[in-house]
Amino acid sequence: DAGVTQSPTHLIKTRGQQVTLRCSPKSGHDTVSWYQQALGQGPQFIFQYYEEEERQRGNFPDRFSGHQFPNYSSELNVNALLLGDSALYLCASSLGWAGQAEQYFGPGTRLTVT
Amino acid sequence: GEDVEQSLFLSVREGDSSVINCTYTDSSSTYLYWYKQEPGAGLQLLTYIFSNMDMKQDQRLTVLLNKKDKHLSLRIADTQTGDSAIYFCAETQVSGGSYIPTFGRGTSLIVHP
Repeated sequence: DAGVTQSPTHLIKTRGQQVTLRCSPKSGHDTVSWYQQALGQGPQFIFQYYEEEERQRGNFPDRFSGHQFPNYSSELNVNALLLGDSALYLCASSLGWAGQAEQYFGPGTRLTVT
Repeated sequence: GEDVEQSLFLSVREGDSSVINCTYTDSSSTYLYWYKQEPGAGLQLLTYIFSNMDMKQDQRLTVLLNKKDKHLSLRIADTQTGDSAIYFCAETQVSGGSYIPTFGRGTSLIVHP
């Protein structure tokens, strides 16, 4: 049973560029959440997708957008990259999106913006 | 606003108990979680507690919640070197039917022989 997978593992982009990160949820899960983890910090909630819609959103600008596909996989897009966007981006999946839903995290994508 | 605070480091000897503490500020928190993150890996959910509970035990892990003081702790009995990792406390608040999780900065647990 595959857990949460993310691609790519590492990515280097230049300021101003756009990036797309991908996530496949754990088998049987229908909800995907995205987090940004800066070095030395805890994860910060970006947004959550359920039934192909953004259900909840943290305090992130519109440059951060996402999508969920019918097979429950998800993409995170970041436009107009800033140096401060350099971080580990974590995807988590769960069954349902209520607070009691147990989230399973992927290994993350390390994004470096130069 | 919401805030979750943890001490940054804890060092213990193998075989001893570890106690990692966390304080939170939002009284509307409904679920409180402990996650473990090993180097280069994502987060692993260790355990969680609903806010109307005082204690939860799961094998070597014991979670204590003092809702009055907004204090959460994680006790690891018989700590092993494999327990060395960063431990994150997180809370989920209910806001208009939404559940937004907030994480602390993490406590780095170092277990030495």
